[in-house]
Amino acid sequence: KNEVEQSPQNLTAQEGEFITINCSYSVGISALHWLQQHPGGGIVSLFMLSSGKKKHGRLIATINIQEKHSSLHITASHPRDSAVYICAVTGNQFYFGTGTSLTVIP
Amino acid sequence: DAGVTQSPTHLIKTRGQQVTLRCSPKSGHDTVSWYQQALGQGPQFIFQYYEEEERQRGNFPDRFSGHQFPNYSSELNVNALLLGDSALYLCASSETGLQGYTFGSGTRLTVV
Repeated sequence: KNEVEQSPQNLTAQEGEFITINCSYSVGISALHWLQQHPGGGIVSLFMLSSGKKKHGRLIATINIQEKHSSLHITASHPRDSAVYICAVTGNQFYFGTGTSLTVIP
Repeated sequence: DAGVTQSPTHLIKTRGQQVTLRCSPKSGHDTVSWYQQALGQGPQFIFQYYEEEERQRGNFPDRFSGHQFPNYSSELNVNALLLGDSALYLCASSETGLQGYTFGSGTRLTVV
């Protein structure tokens, strides 16, 4: 069993839809990261959080430490949001989820 | 300010050969971590270097080794390449004691 589980694995949405990606983890962590990976491989760090909620533009990330669960929300989704979104946690090492592949259709 | 720089971007090697991948961390960062990402999978932690020493290691064989230089740049070496070593190798840098990471664009290694 992976230390970090994400759902869904794949997601297709119409432009403008509200999107939620979920992440659950089973290890003790010091921080949780949401990463964005575009085709070609480069990874961009979207959020790092250890409690509560963070917002950046149309992206919102929340974490519930007691439930060991985090969500990434995208409001008013756009085709340029199409990418793989990876949840990762840092405890004694870095653990990654397998990613959620998002496609936003115009 | 340059972020994390990895070289080369793409590489093709033959089974049994050795390969060296390079990573220059973001300015101000002193810790470098390496990850292997197989196609369709999430990244897997290989090891982390700080103060020129391997500080943590994931579940990878001794064929995978590394080095960190005084300027904080790092190399990942893989000996006796196997077909299964074909992957995207990602480097991330951070400042020790802080949790923010910056990732490079990766080196795509193909072993034939």
